[in-house]
Amino acid sequence: GAGVSQSPRYKVAKRGQDVALRCDPISGHVSLFWYQQALGQGPEFLTYFQNEAQLDKSGLPSDRFFAERPEGSVSTLKIQRTQQEDSAVYLCASSYQGRYYEQYFGPGTRLTVT
Amino acid sequence: GDSVTQMEGPVTLSEEAFLTINCTYTATGYPSLFWYVQYPGEGLQLLLKATKADDKGSNKGFEATYRKETTSFHLEKGSVQVSDSAVYFCALSSGGSNYKLTFGKGTLLTVNP
Repeated sequence: GAGVSQSPRYKVAKRGQDVALRCDPISGHVSLFWYQQALGQGPEFLTYFQNEAQLDKSGLPSDRFFAERPEGSVSTLKIQRTQQEDSAVYLCASSYQGRYYEQYFGPGTRLTVT
Repeated sequence: GDSVTQMEGPVTLSEEAFLTINCTYTATGYPSLFWYVQYPGEGLQLLLKATKADDKGSNKGFEATYRKETTSFHLEKGSVQVSDSAVYFCALSSGGSNYKLTFGKGTLLTVNP
């Protein structure tokens, strides 16, 4: 079946621009996660949704970062007024409810801020 | 806070060689431990897991044992194949935020024929 998909796969933004990154989870997966992966590092947790409810946003690095999942399926991560330090790969993952240990990851969106 | 330390890469081996990738962790309570793998051009996928001390996770010929006394979860495989070439990430989840994975930096493994 279809896995987690993310779009765009690559995004180049000028500093100060706003960007929106999309995630389509696996159908039936209640839980959705966003991670940020800097070059040469492991993924770092950003936020977690259960259905449309954002239950944890403790990893969002600043108030320029905003995530939503209004209908409990597709999610969007928005970054306002991008800065160079936002350059990273943004990973989306989804899982069945309660099976958090088995998160299915998308291929990621590589964001480069120039 | 929680953290995972795994051996620096890259690791280059010949086919059929023995593989060990070291992983140690720091966590409150009793974490669950995981190895995720990222093959070239693909997303991360769960390779194996262990949820309590002395558990052994295994999959595709890979094994790792949860060692509470040494806070370790080393990944091993007796005979690697070219198709095992990938980046391997050790990870944990713990406590009330057990949905949140904390990853190590990853280890790039290249297996040559």
